[in-house]
Formats: sequence, C-alpha cells, structure tokens
Amino acid sequence: GQQVMQIPQYQHVQEGEDFTTYCNSSTTLSNIQWYKQRPGGHPVFLIQLVKSGEVKKQKRLTFQFGEAKKNSSLHITATQTTDVGTYFCAATYNQGGKLIFGQGTELSVKP
Amino acid sequence: AAGVIQSPRHLIKEKRETATLKCYPIPRHDTVYWYQQGPGQDPQFLISFYEKMQSDKGSIPDRFSAQQFSDYHSELNMSSLELGDSALYFCASSLKGHLNTEAFFGQGTRLTVV
Repeated sequence: GQQVMQIPQYQHVQEGEDFTTYCNSSTTLSNIQWYKQRPGGHPVFLIQLVKSGEVKKQKRLTFQFGEAKKNSSLHITATQTTDVGTYFCAATYNQGGKLIFGQGTELSVKP
Repeated sequence: AAGVIQSPRHLIKEKRETATLKCYPIPRHDTVYWYQQGPGQDPQFLISFYEKMQSDKGSIPDRFSAQQFSDYHSELNMSSLELGDSALYFCASSLKGHLNTEAFFGQGTRLTVV
C-alpha cells in the first residue's frame, strides 16, 4: 500500500547544530507537505512542495522535493530550543487525496 | 481566524461503551479528514469526506462510523470501545482543488478507554 518512510525516528542535537529529516516513497507523489507537532499539540502545517526538484526556504528551514518526486527532506540550520517537536512529512498520491503521514522525527535540542 | 473545532477535548469511556466525537471544520472548507494518533505514533488516516460524501477510507475499524452533516460538521461514532482505541483523534479540514491543499488540524480529542 501507500507508505511513506521517514528517518531518523529521533534526533538529539546541541543548540546551534543542524538537523535533517528525510522521507521516501516507493511511488511517485503528487505533493508532499511538512508538519510540526509540539508535545501535547496538534500537527501544524509548515509547507507544501509540488514540483519536481522544488526547494523552498523559511528562515532557517529548507525543504526539498526530489527530482523523481519520491523523496523529500527538511533541513534546519542552527537549531534553537524552540525547534523542539516532531516533524512529519505527509504525502498525497493524487490531487486533493488523503494525507499519508511518515513516522515522524522527534527533535530534541539541548541548550 | 476561525480554526477547526473539536469536541470534547477529553473523553473517558469504559470498555464496550460508545463515544461520539465532533468536528467543526473551517468555514468554506469542503473536505474533512479524521486521524487517529496513538502515543508516539504518526497520525493514521481513518476516513475523509468531500462535500458531505465519503471520499476515502483508511484503517477505520468496522466498529467506527462517521458522517458529515449539511452544515459541514462531522461526527465520528465509535462503538464497542476497546482499550486499544485509546488515542488522540484529530479532525482536519482543507479546501480541495485549491492550489495549496494544506490541512488544518483541530486540537484533537483525547479518548481514554478504561
């Protein structure tokens, strides 16, 4: 079935270090979205990538969509304690289709 | 701005009881999704509605049913509750066909089955 693999499951970094999480699908995606969920909170939309090879930046966050539209990454430069949370990729396989979530990467940042 | 409203926020039920979770999507959003999230797990898709019609079905047990009403609010009905149904249940809404199909999540209902 449709499945999105996300790694790593956990990442512990020192404040100021960089962080990257990766998502992979065996089949081509329509688009991929990224969400952040703080402990005890709900998923909050970060960004959507639609085009092959697309790269988008939001301050210290850089999002990439692979050329084959099967993988994506989120990179955070110089992490801060406010970056703590679980980052999920969520993929759709057709326009307007359901979101299939990756397993999430839990980021902890040591001050 | 109005967000997705879910009620109740917390619910405690005994095994074999029934529960009804409610979701009020963002006004003018035409699509509602229900997700179940266990502790430390990713949200698992249960079911979705587009313009009040079921549009997609995921790993929703036969004991659960859902519907979307004429005012676009949605309810998830859960019967014969089991301990394993304890989880966070999220409702999300979006505007299908819109260029940016981001899903807006509600705060969730935490269901505890004892």
